[in-house]
Formats: sequence, structure tokens, C-alpha cells
Amino acid sequence: GENVEQHPSTLSVQEGDSAVIKCTYSDSASNYFPWYKQELGKGPQLIIDIRSNVGEKKDQRIAVTLNKTAKHFSLHITETQPEDSAVYFCAARHNYGQNFVFGPGTRLSVLP
Amino acid sequence: EAGVTQSPTHLIKTRGQQATLRCSPISGHTSVYWYQQALGLGLQFLLWYDEGEERNRGNFPPRFSGRQFPNYSSELNVNALELEDSALYLCASSYRGVGNEQFFGPGTRLTVL
Repeated sequence: GENVEQHPSTLSVQEGDSAVIKCTYSDSASNYFPWYKQELGKGPQLIIDIRSNVGEKKDQRIAVTLNKTAKHFSLHITETQPEDSAVYFCAARHNYGQNFVFGPGTRLSVLP
Repeated sequence: EAGVTQSPTHLIKTRGQQATLRCSPISGHTSVYWYQQALGLGLQFLLWYDEGEERNRGNFPPRFSGRQFPNYSSELNVNALELEDSALYLCASSYRGVGNEQFFGPGTRLTVL
């Protein structure tokens, strides 16, 4: 079955700097890769996603890149702000008939 | 548009008791997923319901069960509670078919004493 690894487990950056979180997946048939942000005491919130027919997707300060050959995808946050501090999860799935497999999460701290 | 809702917010039980958690999906969504998130850990897939049927199940014992009602809301039941069942239980919903992003509710915090 699918296995998703995520690095780093914790990340601290200065406000205004960029943050990058990387995930690798094992099942080459996976074709949908969402990223979720979870703030303390709340459920995960979908912030961006990418499908296997696209190499990069941007939404304001957030971007996701996908390398199908290497089976890894990354979340890029530019001009980080204190409110970006949260736990971020990546996930992968290959068919509608399969469930999502999540990475273990990255705790991002943006220091003022 | 209302998001995924879950009840109760918090639930305290003792070992051996049963817990029932409820989830209402986003209007129009037919799939409901349940996840367990133990403190400090990632999301572990529990169950997936679609159109009233169980479609997939994670690596959890049979005392974790559930159902989906005709209005697509769902219930998760945990029997014979154990201390290690203490966790945040998250429900997510999605459309069936292409572009089926998953949206999460706020979760139910289950504490087993």
C-alpha cells in the first residue's frame, strides 16, 4: 500500500522568510496530493492540492511542486507570517476508491 | 455553505464503556471518512462510507464500527473502550467522483479514563 513520508518534523523560520516542507510517496499510481493546515484545537484545513498532470500550482504565498519521477512533492510558503504557525500534513491517493494516506506532519513555527 | 459538523465536541468515558460520535457532511457530499488522531501523531484512517455503505476500512479492530444514514450523516461507534482510544476523532466529507477534495470537521476529543 501507499506510504507517505514527510520532512522535517519541525521547522522554525523567521517572519518573512520562506518555508519548505517535503513529502515522498511510494505508490507511483497516486495522482492526487493535497496539503492540510491544522491549527491548535481545530480540524485540518485544505490549503492547496495538486494532481499528477500538473507540475506546480500557486495560490498567493503558497505553492506546491510535484516531481512524479522522483515521487515527491513539496509545499512552499513565502513571506511567512506568525499566523502560518501550525501543523502541516501532506497526503496522497491514487484512485477514488482508495482512502487518503497522510504524512506524519510538520510543526511550523514562524518567529516574529 | 456550512462545513462539516461533529458532535459532541468533547466526550469523556471510562474503560469498557461505549462511545458514539456523530458527523454531518457538507450538503451534497455523499462520502464520509473517519480518522483517529492521537496526541502529537498523524491522522490514521479508520473508515470510509459512501452512499450508505462501508467502502474501506483502516487497520483498526472490529470494536470500531460505524454507519451512514440516508441523509449521508454518519456515526462512529467505539465499543469496549481502552485507554489508548483517547484521541481526536476527525470526520471528513467529499463529493463522489472527480475533484473530490476532502474537507474536515473540527473533531471530537474522546478521553477514556
